[in-house]
Amino acid sequence: EIVLTQSPATLSLSPGERATLSCRASQSVSSYLAWYQQKPGQAPRLLIYDASNRATGIPARFSGSGSGTDFTLTISSLEPEDFAVYYCQQRSNWRGTFGQGTKVEIK
Amino acid sequence: EVQLVESGGGLVQPGRSLRLSCAASGFTFDDYAMHWVRQAPGKGLEWVSGISWNSGSIGYADSVKGRFTISRDNAKNSLYLQMNSLRAEDTALYYCAKDTFGGGAMAPFDYWGQGTLVTVSS
Repeated sequence: EIVLTQSPATLSLSPGERATLSCRASQSVSSYLAWYQQKPGQAPRLLIYDASNRATGIPARFSGSGSGTDFTLTISSLEPEDFAVYYCQQRSNWRGTFGQGTKVEIK
Repeated sequence: EVQLVESGGGLVQPGRSLRLSCAASGFTFDDYAMHWVRQAPGKGLEWVSGISWNSGSIGYADSVKGRFTISRDNAKNSLYLQMNSLRAEDTALYYCAKDTFGGGAMAPFDYWGQGTLVTVSS
């Protein structure tokens, strides 16, 4: 089973700062990597699919990069509504494992 | 408007069974794969199971393989999860989620329900 490891566990930043989140896979997932945002009491929201494609309605400040085993989600300038937990997810052979999450909190 | 509404959760004793349902509307249900994802209280997301549009491809997490069975009824626009031999560690909010793309391959999840809570306790 492919394991996804996200780092850091918590990121403390101020509004307007740049956020860089990492997701590393235990083996290559090609570009089949997605990023989700989850706020308390809400279902997750798809941000990025296939490593670098923004989902419908997602602001341009969110971007994704990487392939193989190393991936990055970047939020160019944090807005107040961006403070949340972010998960990466891979899909291969009908298995859809998630990383453990990175919490982006207000500093 | 896409809607996914889960039901069937509740309190159940260890070793017993429960069947979850997800009623879908607002899209052509039989064009898309569907999934169950769970979240234990205060924990992260765990993909549980997925099923292709025609039930031809099915996957399970190792943690539920052999105990849970996913199925769908395209005529009723419904997704199901039969959960047997439940354990305390199965306690979680169970979400139904829809694939982004149609077709045979698994895709990311663009719509999610609000979840149904399953509590396994004696």
